[in-house]
Parts: sequence; structure tokens; C-alpha cells
Amino acid sequence: GENVEQHPSTLSVQEGDSAVIKCTYSDSASNYFPWYKQELGKGPQLIIDIRSNVGEKKDQRIAVTLNKTAKHFSLHITETQPEDSAVYFCAASWDGGSQGNLIFGKGTKLSVKP
Amino acid sequence: NAGVTQTPKFRVLKTGQSMTLLCAQDMNHEYMYWYRQDPGMGLRLIHYSVGEGTTAKGEVPDGYNVSRLKKQNFLLGLESAAPSQTSVYFCASGLAGTYEQYFGPGTRLTVT
Repeated sequence: GENVEQHPSTLSVQEGDSAVIKCTYSDSASNYFPWYKQELGKGPQLIIDIRSNVGEKKDQRIAVTLNKTAKHFSLHITETQPEDSAVYFCAASWDGGSQGNLIFGKGTKLSVKP
Repeated sequence: NAGVTQTPKFRVLKTGQSMTLLCAQDMNHEYMYWYRQDPGMGLRLIHYSVGEGTTAKGEVPDGYNVSRLKKQNFLLGLESAAPSQTSVYFCASGLAGTYEQYFGPGTRLTVT
């Protein structure tokens, strides 16, 4: 089955700096890779996703890159702001698309210091 | 639209007691999921449903049962609660044929 590893577990940056979170996956059949942001006391919220036929996707200050050969994908946040502080989860699809199932990484706690 | 709602928000149980968590969604999604979230463990799938009347086991199903009698509702039951089931439980829903999942606000359950 699919396994998703996420690093680092904690990340602290200064406001305005960039932050990068990396994930690796094990199942080469996985074809969908989302990133979720979870603020304290709330449920995870989808912030960006990428499919296996695309190498990079951007949405304002956030971007995701995918390297299918190496089976890893990364979240990039530029010009970080205090409101970016949260726990970020990566995930990968694992059931071939029939049931929408995702396997999640263990999360990265991002702290942006003003 | 309320999106995905969960009831209750907090609950404390004693070992051996039973309870049911309710998840409701108003987005007409076919897929629904129950996860548990523990410190340092991320989100782990307990059970899921791809449609009304159907359920399936996820990664950590032991000690839980589910039912999907109506498309908009997904119930998670604990028949005999154990301290190991102390966790935050999240429900999510999604459209058939997609992987996008929309999460509820969570239920914090403590079993003493």
C-alpha cells in the first residue's frame, strides 16, 4: 500500500522568508497529491493540489512541485506571513481513483515569526 | 451551505461506554470519510463510504462501526470505548470520481 513521509515535522521561519515542506510517496500508481492547511482547532483545508501529469502548479504565494521519477513532491510558500502559521499535511492517492482515498503525511508545524 | 458539520464538538466517555458521532454534509457528495488525528500521527482513515448504504474499512477500523443510511449523513459508532480511542475525529466528504476532500471541524473525544 501507499506510504507518505513528510519532512520536516516542525519549521520556523522569519516573516517574509520562504518555507519548503517535502514529501515522498511509495506507490508509483499514485496520481493525485494535495496539500492541506490546518489551523488550530479547525479541520484541514485544501490549499493546493497537483496531478501526476503536471510538474508544477502555482497559486499566488504557494506552489507545489512534483518529481514522479523520484516520487517526491514539495510545497513552497514565499513571502511568508504570520497567518501562514499552521500545520500542513501532504497526501497521496492510493486506491486507483475508485474511492477517492488519500494517505496523509504526519504533518509539518510551520511557525512564522513576525 | 454549511458544508460538513460534526456533532458533538466535545465528548468525555468512561471506558466501556458507547456513543455515536454524527457527520452531515449538504454538498450532495457521494464519498464520506471518518479519520482520527493523534499527535504526531497525522490523519488516519477509520472507515469510508462511496455511497448511501455502502461502507468499507480504512487503515484503523478496529473498535469502530459506521453506517450511511442517508446520503448526507455518516455515523461513527464506538460500542465499548477504550482510552486508546481518545483522539480528535474528523469527518470529510468528496465528489465521486475526485480526490478533493472537505473536512468538518472535528470532535474531540476523551475516554477515561
